[in-house]
Amino acid sequence: GAGVSQSPSNKVTEKGKDVELRCDPISGHTALYWYRQSLGQGLEFLIYFQGNSAPDKSGLPSDRFSAERTGGSVSTLTIQRTQQEDSAVYLCASSLVTTNEKLFFGSGTQLSVL
Amino acid sequence: GESVGLHLPTLSVQEGDNSIINCAYSNSASDYFIWYKQESGKGPQFIIDIRSNMDKRQGQRVTVLLNKTVKHLSLQIAATQPGDSAVYFCAENKGSGGSNYKLTFGKGTLLTVNP
Repeated sequence: GAGVSQSPSNKVTEKGKDVELRCDPISGHTALYWYRQSLGQGLEFLIYFQGNSAPDKSGLPSDRFSAERTGGSVSTLTIQRTQQEDSAVYLCASSLVTTNEKLFFGSGTQLSVL
Repeated sequence: GESVGLHLPTLSVQEGDNSIINCAYSNSASDYFIWYKQESGKGPQFIIDIRSNMDKRQGQRVTVLLNKTVKHLSLQIAATQPGDSAVYFCAENKGSGGSNYKLTFGKGTLLTVNP
């Protein structure tokens, strides 16, 4: 596609429910990132995928958070037993491996946990 | 500067004026810096980047200045337009140790352009 696509754009869920957030990176981009943005804050790194290498999960805030990337393309971020503090915008980005600092972001998923 | 709680640093300018947005970074070992623009409801959009072997880089209507001595980065926008209204983030790449993909973002500055 032309850009990074994320779905859903908005998600409202009840505390304790599980949610799945999807990211379609730019075609040909082998690197994929998830960031979290809380209201009025900067971006917090969550996880990084690069090709077939083991992902860097060092930014995941708890074991309720997990992510996978199938076939080197689409990624899913899963949050189990959601809590109110999980409410944030979840941003996905992709990049070329050769310019892996220049990230292209999707529009994000606004997650609201009631 | 840094934000406190939910309050972002803000900059309000008149249309046509030049804008300067400042950012202090934390790691003297960082070797790559980047500015992003985020409009309401959208993801951050790349504006301009600079490596630590440079102190100035120009783009279209934008200039980034890097002062490594005081660990300061600035973004200058010439002839600011209403469409420039957004939150601007600086980010640094602490490129050592093989984790050169992990950008660290500042908390952002809200730029408002008054017509």
